[in-house]
Amino acid sequence: NAGVTQTPKFQVLKTGQSMTLQCAQDMNHEYMSWYRQDPGMGLRLIHYSVGAGITDQGEVPNGYNVSRSTTEDFPLRLLSAAPSQTSVYFCASSYSGFGNTIYFGEGSWLTVV
Amino acid sequence: AQTVTQSQPEMSVQEAETVTLSCTYDTSENNYYLFWYKQPPSRQMILVIRQEAYKQQNATENRFSVNFQKAAKSFSLKISDSQLGDTAMYFCALPGGAQKLVFGQGTRLTINP
Repeated sequence: NAGVTQTPKFQVLKTGQSMTLQCAQDMNHEYMSWYRQDPGMGLRLIHYSVGAGITDQGEVPNGYNVSRSTTEDFPLRLLSAAPSQTSVYFCASSYSGFGNTIYFGEGSWLTVV
Repeated sequence: AQTVTQSQPEMSVQEAETVTLSCTYDTSENNYYLFWYKQPPSRQMILVIRQEAYKQQNATENRFSVNFQKAAKSFSLKISDSQLGDTAMYFCALPGGAQKLVFGQGTRLTINP
C-alpha cells in the first residue's frame, strides 16, 4: 500500500522558473491538500480539494496553483518561483467526514536560488 | 479562527523517563478532534494519537497518552518509558475545516541515552 506519494523529493530551482510537485494517493480519499513547512514552524495550508474538480485556497495560496482532475492526483504548480518559496512541501489526504485522520506524504524539499 | 499554541520549543529527557508536552488551543466549535503528530528527522509526519472532544476518556496508544482538559482547552501528550526513537518534533493539531489542520509551532524532543 503506497499511501500518499510525492515527487520529486528534492528540487533546486532558479528564481522565476516554474515547476510542478506531483502528489498521488491510492486510498480513494476524497480530500487532498498541500502544506508547506518553513524552518522551526508547523505546517501551513496552501490549497486543498474536497473532490475531483473542486479546489479552494488555504492560508498561504499566493504563488501556487492547483487542479484536481482525478480522485488520485493533486499536483501543485509554482508559477514563478521565488526564494520565499524555499520550503518543505507536504501533500496530504483523508476520507471526507468529521475527524478522519489526515495522512501525509514524505515531503518534497524545494530550494529556490 | 482556530489557534494552537505549544509553549515548549525544546525538551530533553533521559531514556526511560516520562515526559509531558503541552498544548493549548482555541476553537469556537463544541465538537472536534485533536491530534498529536510526530516528525522525526526524516520529516515524515506520523500520527501519534487522536482525541475526540466529546469523549471524556483520555486517549491512549501504548506508551503515549493524552491529558485532555476541554474546559481549559488543554491537550498535553505524555510519553512513558521514553525511547531513543521518540526523538522528534511533536506537533499538536486541530482541524479548522475540511483538510484544514491548524498546527502548533512544535516541540523538539530529544531523548538522551
